Amino acid sequence: KAGVTQTPRYLIKTRGQQVTLSCSPISGHRSVSWYQQTPGQGLQFLFEYFSETQRNKGNFPGRFSGRQFSNSRSEMNVSTLELGDSALYLCASSIRRPVEELFFGEGSRLTVL
Amino acid sequence: GENVEQHPSTLSVQEGDSAVIKCTYSDSASNYFPWYKQELGKGPQLIIDIRSNVGEKKDQRIAVTLNKTAKHFSLHITETQPEDSAVYFCAAGVKGNNDMRFGAGTRLTVKP
Repeated sequence: KAGVTQTPRYLIKTRGQQVTLSCSPISGHRSVSWYQQTPGQGLQFLFEYFSETQRNKGNFPGRFSGRQFSNSRSEMNVSTLELGDSALYLCASSIRRPVEELFFGEGSRLTVL
Repeated sequence: GENVEQHPSTLSVQEGDSAVIKCTYSDSASNYFPWYKQELGKGPQLIIDIRSNVGEKKDQRIAVTLNKTAKHFSLHITETQPEDSAVYFCAAGVKGNNDMRFGAGTRLTVKP
């Protein structure tokens, strides 16, 4: 069974640009969560999608958004990038709600210059 | 909301020794406490979890204990091996609320 797939793995953007990251969950998993990982901050919850609806949202500004498609694939978008948005963005899928075991992808490492 | 604190931030042990990582949480409603291991260049992977109706759980060399009264839980790794070297994260969550909160992580180094 294929794991969680995230693309792209690495990307470099400049301040003010926007970025879209993609996540394909494990087949059959319907919940997709997004986390931001920065050194010293651990993993910060961004949002969670289930059945194409955002079910939960962390404490991030409106520049961070996401969506989920009917095949459970998810995308997250960050607009008007800031230097502080440089981070590893992790996607995790779970088979059901309420979410317990999270299966993480390898992440998309975003560098903002 | 939930706040999870994790200590220590770095831990170095000799191969064969034990390693202990501790976490505290703030929300008394939290009832699910997983531990994740993250190796370099990879995403976190669940290694063990415990629910609030259990005080201790063991899986081979790994054990987790939970003290609900004190709101803290710990990861114990015995007979450490170099391949145990990684970053370990604790997390706390509330069943029905999918917002899993993570600690800041502990970088464990096991010296051969």
